[in-house]
Amino acid sequence: EVKLVESGGGLVQPGGSLRLSCAASGFTFSSYEFNWVRQAPGKGLEWLSFITTTDSTILYADSAKGRFTISRDNAKNSLYLQMNSLRAEDTAVYYCVREPYSTDWYNTFDVWGQGTMVTVSS
Amino acid sequence: DIQMTQSPSSLSASVGDRVTITCRASQNIYSFLNWYQQKSGKAPELLIFGASSLLSGVPSRFSGSGSGTDFALTISSLQPEDFATYYCQQSYDTPRTFGQGTRVEIK
Repeated sequence: EVKLVESGGGLVQPGGSLRLSCAASGFTFSSYEFNWVRQAPGKGLEWLSFITTTDSTILYADSAKGRFTISRDNAKNSLYLQMNSLRAEDTAVYYCVREPYSTDWYNTFDVWGQGTMVTVSS
Repeated sequence: DIQMTQSPSSLSASVGDRVTITCRASQNIYSFLNWYQQKSGKAPELLIFGASSLLSGVPSRFSGSGSGTDFALTISSLQPEDFATYYCQQSYDTPRTFGQGTRVEIK
């Protein structure tokens, strides 16, 4: 079964840091590109970051640039998001999302994890 | 950034109804348009990619159309399990932007 499982969320004070992890199983992790997407409570979806299969290209949304760092470990089938200088507006569910490396798929997000909740509050 | 505008933001419909949700991009995105379904408390799930390609396993009552800037998701006969929020997303350019969502509720 293809699966993405996020972990590492929780309550953190403003200005603090968290590292989210995403464990992949059921497919060849190294053959796929990945994204992080978040959803604030009661709100829509916001793309945050993208990483290619070999880290050759990494992209960030303006809201993440300079504070968040995406990374991956193909040997461990894992994706990460290091989040620093957290703010109240970063409170959201964070999703790990798979993207097939093929033009046939139109850069779509084909598999989503269940999400991990991050709450930034004092 | 490419802006994605969905309409309506919500709708009420009955089981068996035909439902259409539209999505407009602020610039030409060719066929780089995807549709996701999100049920309450769950992660989004891909329904349609490339504007009109149905993901394997998705019921055939779902269909997508359009290209360029105007797109639509149609549910030909609404089923109880289809009550959810639907999002369009452009994957032509970064940042990968989503529509604001359309909530489909039971009438």
